Amino acid sequence: DGGITQSPKYLFRKEGQNVTLSCEQNLNHDAMYWYRQDPGQGLRLIYYSQIVNDFQKGDIAEGYSVSREKKESFPLTVTSAQKNPTAFYLCASSPADRGPDTQYFGPGTRLTVL
Amino acid sequence: GIQVEQSPPDLILQEGANSTLRCNFSDSVNNLQWFHQNPWGQLINLFYIPSGTKQNGRLSATTVATERYSLLYISSSQTTDSGVYFCAVERNYQLIWGAGTKLIIKP
Repeated sequence: DGGITQSPKYLFRKEGQNVTLSCEQNLNHDAMYWYRQDPGQGLRLIYYSQIVNDFQKGDIAEGYSVSREKKESFPLTVTSAQKNPTAFYLCASSPADRGPDTQYFGPGTRLTVL
Repeated sequence: GIQVEQSPPDLILQEGANSTLRCNFSDSVNNLQWFHQNPWGQLINLFYIPSGTKQNGRLSATTVATERYSLLYISSSQTTDSGVYFCAVERNYQLIWGAGTKLIIKP
């Protein structure tokens, strides 16, 4: 089945530790996105990538890093510099010719900092 | 930057009722989309609707771009309609999201 997978579903980390969230897609989409969602709020864009080996910062990139070495994969690292990392993280992808118009979302990773 | 406001923030209805959700945006946009997020967090695209009216089963949406608002109609609500409904507008290759309307359908 084609789709987007994110792992793990729940993640706990101690303050001061870096953690990497996985996002994989087999939809052959060129563009991939990472969003953060806080309770009672809409999604905010962290990073996006329109092509392999290239990515751009979104509105809230500070304290996060990404890589795009393969078309299928767009991992997100939450660094210790992120002041308030507890949130729900969503990954999405879209065909290059549609951009954000047609985004397919993964099931999300809920990160809790202890 | 562009502002996206959704109303009401919360809505509780009995099964079978109809509802109207509103999305206002502060500037011209390339497109507008409606999404549903189920209670487990999964987001599904409902409509891509930069202007005009579209219908999909019990759901329909209308966007009046010149007046900068969009409406999502849900008829004959079912408990599976519960969740959060988001509108998002596209500006400069990014989606700007509203805070959502949380809908609870009681059996």
